Amino acid sequence: QVQLQESGPGLVKPSETLSLTCTVSGGSMTTYYWSWLRQSPGKGLEWIAYVYSSGTTEYNPSLKSRATISVDASKNQFSLWLTSVTAADTAVYYCARRNYHVLFGNWFDPWGQGTLVTVSS
Amino acid sequence: DIQMTQSPSSLSASVGDRVTITCRTSQTTDNYLNWYQQIPGKAPKVLIYGASTLQGGVPSRFSASGSGTEFALTISGLQPEDFATYYCQQGDSPFFAFGPGTKVDIK
Repeated sequence: QVQLQESGPGLVKPSETLSLTCTVSGGSMTTYYWSWLRQSPGKGLEWIAYVYSSGTTEYNPSLKSRATISVDASKNQFSLWLTSVTAADTAVYYCARRNYHVLFGNWFDPWGQGTLVTVSS
Repeated sequence: DIQMTQSPSSLSASVGDRVTITCRTSQTTDNYLNWYQQIPGKAPKVLIYGASTLQGGVPSRFSASGSGTEFALTISGLQPEDFATYYCQQGDSPFFAFGPGTKVDIK
């Protein structure tokens, strides 16, 4: 079955750019939407962005000015960049597949195991 | 934006108990409402999507109902592996808000 794995630095300095990659295995990336989410004690679970296999993107308005998501289906990977990070961006970051059905709406499954990113000098 | 609330925020229960968690949305979501279970240190796992459809492989003791702005997740016969935090999530594009969670622990 499809599995996702996040990778990237666990420590980022304030004002710098957070960069994460999600590698998808066990299935094709085509015809699906791929998402980044995060979870912090202060803000709970938060959807950040999604990218379609063709490159179409959508962002949470609260992060849109700082986030960029892209996909490289040939490598079975998609990535997130978040600029000008602060301590408030410290969180566990998850990648997940967004599923959609006209009868059921949108849900996230499967998820990667998550990676903790700490913003600190 | 759609705001999500869950009640209770936590509860204590015993193995075998029937437990119900409620989720309310600030606007109707056309029944696009999902439930997740999260065990500490693990990623959330979808239990229910589309308000009441059980995800494959999820035990039938989990069920959900609701429509409009009020939804409920029920666990009939709590098992030791069910002690976790449960989140609702609205599945109507584009912002996919999550509820604050309900922690179920052992009495």
